[in-house]
Amino acid sequence: DIQMTQSPSSVSASVGDRVTITCRASQGISSWLAWYQQKPGRAPKFLIYAASSLQSGVPSRFSGSGSGTDFTLTISSLQPEDFATYYCQQANSFPLTFGGGTKVEIK
Amino acid sequence: QVQLVQSGAEVKKPGASVKVSCKASGYTFTSYGISWVRQAPGQGLEWMGWISGYNGNTNYAQKVQGRVTMTTDTSTSTAYMEVRSLRSDDTAVYYCARMVGELPPEGTGYAFDIWGQGTMVSVSS
Repeated sequence: DIQMTQSPSSVSASVGDRVTITCRASQGISSWLAWYQQKPGRAPKFLIYAASSLQSGVPSRFSGSGSGTDFTLTISSLQPEDFATYYCQQANSFPLTFGGGTKVEIK
Repeated sequence: QVQLVQSGAEVKKPGASVKVSCKASGYTFTSYGISWVRQAPGQGLEWMGWISGYNGNTNYAQKVQGRVTMTTDTSTSTAYMEVRSLRSDDTAVYYCARMVGELPPEGTGYAFDIWGQGTMVSVSS
């Protein structure tokens, strides 16, 4: 199985800050990575696929990059509605696996 | 609009079984697969398996293989997941999610674009 490791596990930031979350795969997955946002008590929301392609309707302040084993999710200017937990997911092969999550908290 | 609506919360005793439903609307059910993902209280997301909406093919995570069965009813555009021999560590919110894409090299991989609202399954004696 491909293991996905996210860092940091939590980050404190202020509105307007630039936030970067890292995701590392235990083996190469090309660009086959997705990102999700989850708020408490809610289902995850699909943000990015193929490492850097923004899902329709997702604000442009979200961006993704990377390939192989190392990936990043960047929020260019944090907004109040962005405080949530973010998960990466490898889309390369079964079993599909998620990172452990990164909680973005208010500083 | 495209949506997945799941059945309501369940409370079960250890050793029992539970069957959760996921009714799709707003799209052609047979054109997409459905995955089931669970989330234990305060924990991350765990993929449990996938079923094709087209032909019912399945792929289960090793951790639940043998205890979980995923099925579909194309006449009602509904997916089902049954978990048997429930244990306390099966206590979680269970989500169904529509899968988009194709595994490489044919596509850019499988991701989950539409999610159900979640079904809480509590296992306790």
